[in-house]
Amino acid sequence: ETGVTQTPRHLVMGMTNKKSLKCEQHLGHNAMYWYKQSAKKPLELMFVYNFKEQTENNSVPSRFSPECPNSSHLFLHLHTLQPEDSALYLCASSQVGQTSGNTIYFGEGSWLTVV
Amino acid sequence: AQKVTQAQTEISVVEKEDVTLDCVYETRDTTYYLFWYKQPPSGELVFLIRRNSFDEQNEISGRYSWNFQKSTSSFNFTITASQVVDSAVYFCALSDHNTDKLIFGTGTRLQVFP
Repeated sequence: ETGVTQTPRHLVMGMTNKKSLKCEQHLGHNAMYWYKQSAKKPLELMFVYNFKEQTENNSVPSRFSPECPNSSHLFLHLHTLQPEDSALYLCASSQVGQTSGNTIYFGEGSWLTVV
Repeated sequence: AQKVTQAQTEISVVEKEDVTLDCVYETRDTTYYLFWYKQPPSGELVFLIRRNSFDEQNEISGRYSWNFQKSTSSFNFTITASQVVDSAVYFCALSDHNTDKLIFGTGTRLQVFP
C-alpha cells in the first residue's frame, strides 16, 4: 500500500462544478506537493507546502485552490475548470530538513476529466 | 536553467532482452540530485533511485542498474533480462541543492512483450 493516498482516483466533472481532490500521506513528512501530468507534457509542479505553509505557486490559475490543514493532508479545490485541465493530478510528500534533494514519494494520482 | 532530456519516447523489447533508458541533464549547480521513477498504467510514480552529484559510483539493484557519468551529464538506467511487468513509463528527474522540487524529463515508455 502506498504511503500517499489520493481520492477520488477518477473524477468526471462539468465546467461549472465544484469538486475537491484529497491527499493524505502516512509517512510523517512535513512537505506536500501537487503535480499535474497532461498528455505529452512533462510533469508540472503546481504547489508546494512546507509545514502547512504554501511556499510555491507555480503560476497556477485561480480555478485551482489548494488547502493544507495539517502536514498530513492536502486538498485541491476545483472550480469552473476548462477541458484542457483534464489530466492526472499527483500528490506527493517529502521530509524537508537541513539537507535538500530529499526523495519525493507520490500517490497513485487522481484522473480528472472535465466535460 | 535546469533541464532533463529523455530522448527515447518509446522502446519496445521482447522479454529477457536487456534495455537501457537514457537520461541527460543540464544544471549549473555543483550539488544536485538525480532520480528515476517508474509509472505503471495505474498512474502512481514509484521511486526507484536517488543519487547525489558527488557519488558517481554505479549502482545495481537486482535486475536494475544505473550508470552515472558527470563527464557526459548522463544518468542512464539499464534493465537486465526484462520482464513484462517492467512495462511502464520511466521518468528521470533532477533537483537542485536548495529545494526538493523535481524537474522531470518527458519520460520513456517501455513495452516488454512476451
